[in-house]
Amino acid sequence: GESVGLHLPTLSVQEGDNSIINCAYSNSASDYFIWYKQESGKGPQFIIDIRSNMDKRQGQRVTVLLNKTVKHLSLQIAATQPGDSAVYFCAEKYFGNEKLTFGTGTRLTIIP
Amino acid sequence: SAVISQKPSRDICQRGTSLTIQCQVDSQVTMMFWYRQQPGQSLTLIATANQGSEATYESGFVIDKFPISRPNLTFSTLTVSNMSPEDSSIYLCSVWGINRDSVSQNIQYFGAGTRLSVL
Repeated sequence: GESVGLHLPTLSVQEGDNSIINCAYSNSASDYFIWYKQESGKGPQFIIDIRSNMDKRQGQRVTVLLNKTVKHLSLQIAATQPGDSAVYFCAEKYFGNEKLTFGTGTRLTIIP
Repeated sequence: SAVISQKPSRDICQRGTSLTIQCQVDSQVTMMFWYRQQPGQSLTLIATANQGSEATYESGFVIDKFPISRPNLTFSTLTVSNMSPEDSSIYLCSVWGINRDSVSQNIQYFGAGTRLSVL
């Protein structure tokens, strides 16, 4: 079946540096992508999302890049802080389907 | 936005017993989603619950094992039946709700989850 996966299961970044979390998806019909952050003991929290007719979208300290040619999604976090330590998930859906399909997740650890 | 409350937040259960998890939303929603997150894993959709109709289950999940109720537009329950240690997971409830920061003005919100351990 279709799936969304991640290249790197763990990532350690020095505080203040930028981090990049990658995600590959396999469903070419997907037209909406979303990144979630999950801290220990909590449910996933929305970070940023993007439509398939966009290549890039920026938020506060975060940028999502979408490359439809290679079916790749990335989340860039600028000037990382200790509070950024969490597991990050990408998820996708396609038009007319209300269900999200989640990737495997990346654990980001910020080193003080 | 949507505020989701799940009960219980955690539980430790004996093999062979059943646990019912409650999900309360602060607004009326058409669809409610139930996910399972096994230890160190991602989220897997169990079923979609619509008010007034039977839940729609994903491949690998069956109603006898995970019966779902959806009595109204703000509430749902998920029961994990005849539990085994393999059912030890986090169970999450989710709904779509408005978010002004979203490119689609709508995102999926999650409850804090129910952390289930089966001995």
